[in-house]
Amino acid sequence: DVKVTQSSRYLVKRTGEKVFLECVQDMDHENMFWYRQDPGLGLRLIYFSYDVKMKEKGDIPEGYSVSREKKERFSLILESASTNQTSMYLCASRSGTGNSGANVLTFGAGSRLTVL
Amino acid sequence: AQSVAQPEDQVNVAEGNPLTVKCTYSVSGNPYLFWYVQYPNRGLQFLLKYITGDNLVKGSYGFEAEFNKSQTSFHLKKPSALVSDSALYFCAVREGGATNKLIFGTGTLLAVQP
Repeated sequence: DVKVTQSSRYLVKRTGEKVFLECVQDMDHENMFWYRQDPGLGLRLIYFSYDVKMKEKGDIPEGYSVSREKKERFSLILESASTNQTSMYLCASRSGTGNSGANVLTFGAGSRLTVL
Repeated sequence: AQSVAQPEDQVNVAEGNPLTVKCTYSVSGNPYLFWYVQYPNRGLQFLLKYITGDNLVKGSYGFEAEFNKSQTSFHLKKPSALVSDSALYFCAVREGGATNKLIFGTGTLLAVQP
């Protein structure tokens, strides 16, 4: 019954490496989101996408980029990982039909990234 | 600027006692308010939401929340806590305009003691 799948639960990377975090949803949702979660800071929005090939910056986009080539897949890319990007990354999707602001986000299990 | 605040980092309650997790918000226009829960090593799960209508909203696992417009609050409540309710709870508010983004609070850790 898994609906939002994040490909890696735990990753360990070195400073300067390029990192790909993959997210796939099987609910045919239009909207997809990437958040990072840090203790005491809650969830902060990195990037989101309303449709294929569309992307919008969230509140903390610096150091990140995204790709949405297919509706079901939304990738988060760290071009050159740094230690301050050590965090839990959460992907979510939401239907864009109707009043999308009232629709519920469905989250993946998260990807815990450690950058050494 | 629109925001949501969860003033308590942690709430401790004994099993069987009522629990309240507090949330206040600041938005322009009508608020859309949400509660999500995160169990250890899991993603967030939806609990309940207020969009319009009755101020008392009932959700999953026996939780409910009351929308109070005058106090700009949306506190999460449960009449009788279970040890299994121990988790991290997030309040969220929709940011108005075309984006419909959600703004999340910093989270409140609920610890229910047996």
